[in-house]
Amino acid sequence: GDSVTQMEGPVTLSEEAFLTINCTYTATGYPSLFWYVQYPGEGLQLLLKATKADDKGSNKGFEATYRKETTSFHLEKGSVQVSDSAVYFCALTRYNQGGKLIFGQGTELSVKP
Amino acid sequence: EAQVTQNPRYLITVTGKKLTVTCSQNMNHEYMSWYRQDPGLGLRQIYYSMNVEVTDKGDVPEGYKVSRKEKRNFPLILESPSPNQTSLYFCASSPTSGSDTQYFGPGTRLTVL
Repeated sequence: GDSVTQMEGPVTLSEEAFLTINCTYTATGYPSLFWYVQYPGEGLQLLLKATKADDKGSNKGFEATYRKETTSFHLEKGSVQVSDSAVYFCALTRYNQGGKLIFGQGTELSVKP
Repeated sequence: EAQVTQNPRYLITVTGKKLTVTCSQNMNHEYMSWYRQDPGLGLRQIYYSMNVEVTDKGDVPEGYKVSRKEKRNFPLILESPSPNQTSLYFCASSPTSGSDTQYFGPGTRLTVL
């Protein structure tokens, strides 16, 4: 079945460091890919998305490119801030799956001043 | 303000005592779903609803019930809770099942003793 695998956390970075969180997926067909962010004590918010191969999603300085050849959707940010500390979830959905999101296990990011 | 609300936010209960977690959205969305979040497992779908009176099982439906009598509400019912249902629960909604973006509630942390 479909699955999403993320790099293990927690990830601890200093402010202004470069961030990469790896995400790979297994799915038949052409899924849509997402990054959701969960700030402490809050629900999930959509951070960015890409719906077809080679699309780049971007938001708030974060970027991720849909790479079908490597089945990956790695999240990157050039310069992280303390306010980026959160749990990040990679997810996919397929058109004929009743709207279900398949999530990775989440990666906790902690940014120190 | 467009939002998904859940109540209660926190609940501690005992094995076998029936409980209901409410979910309401004010965006006139057709699609609603419930997820549970467990450490190391990400989020997994429990039940979903395509529209009023239309519900179906997700990946982990055992021990849960849902109903969709009105478009805005989608309560999650645990008829006889057990300790393995201790988890963080999220309700989500989207305009349709084919919509790319789902909106999540703030979460309900349930502990079953």
